[in-house]
Amino acid sequence: DQQVKQNSPSLSVQEGRISILNCDYTNSMFDYFLWYKKYPAEGPTFLISISSIKDKNEDGRFTVFLNKSAKHLSLHIVPSQPGDSAVYFCAASDIFFNTDKLIFGTGTRLQVFP
Amino acid sequence: DADVTQTPRNRITKTGKRIMLECSQTKGHDRMYWYRQDPGLGLRLIYYSFDVKDINKGEISDGYSVSRQAQAKFSLSLESAIPNQTALYFCATSDYRGEKLFFGSGTQLSVL
Repeated sequence: DQQVKQNSPSLSVQEGRISILNCDYTNSMFDYFLWYKKYPAEGPTFLISISSIKDKNEDGRFTVFLNKSAKHLSLHIVPSQPGDSAVYFCAASDIFFNTDKLIFGTGTRLQVFP
Repeated sequence: DADVTQTPRNRITKTGKRIMLECSQTKGHDRMYWYRQDPGLGLRLIYYSFDVKDINKGEISDGYSVSRQAQAKFSLSLESAIPNQTALYFCATSDYRGEKLFFGSGTQLSVL
């Protein structure tokens, strides 16, 4: 039973446009969420996080939105750049601000083309 | 230099063989983790350790064992490898707050 779902395996976006990556979860106890980016032959790297007490968190071109009632979060990248082409994983934890037992989604491959 | 180093980067082995994957870190973090990634399944937690004497099973620990030799070293062993353990394995660390994970570059393991 997949508790964290990324239903779009891939996404293709033109450079300069907005990329929106989506993530749904089923466990209402989750209260800390993270996004990781992964390039080929490298490990995932932390991108941005959000706790359940907020509905939005921004870091430069990256913004994460959390809709607790819908059990949905999204990552917006504006503007998208070719270097953003990677696999993006969302992850969730039921321990506030803690990653000891993260549950990861299956990933979305983002391709940004010129 | 990488903060979290995994060796080997690639390994091919045969069914029934014992194999060890190693992880070392220079971040000074207490917490260390082993994850595996399979296509279509994301990353799943195998084991995690808060310090040398504190080791905990994760979601999919069957068929694996770990050893925390020092604060900086955490190894994963497959006592008798089987083909469905073919996967990409990641080691990760976090500080005492555990707010985010720092991953190594991964070990691609193939069991024939």
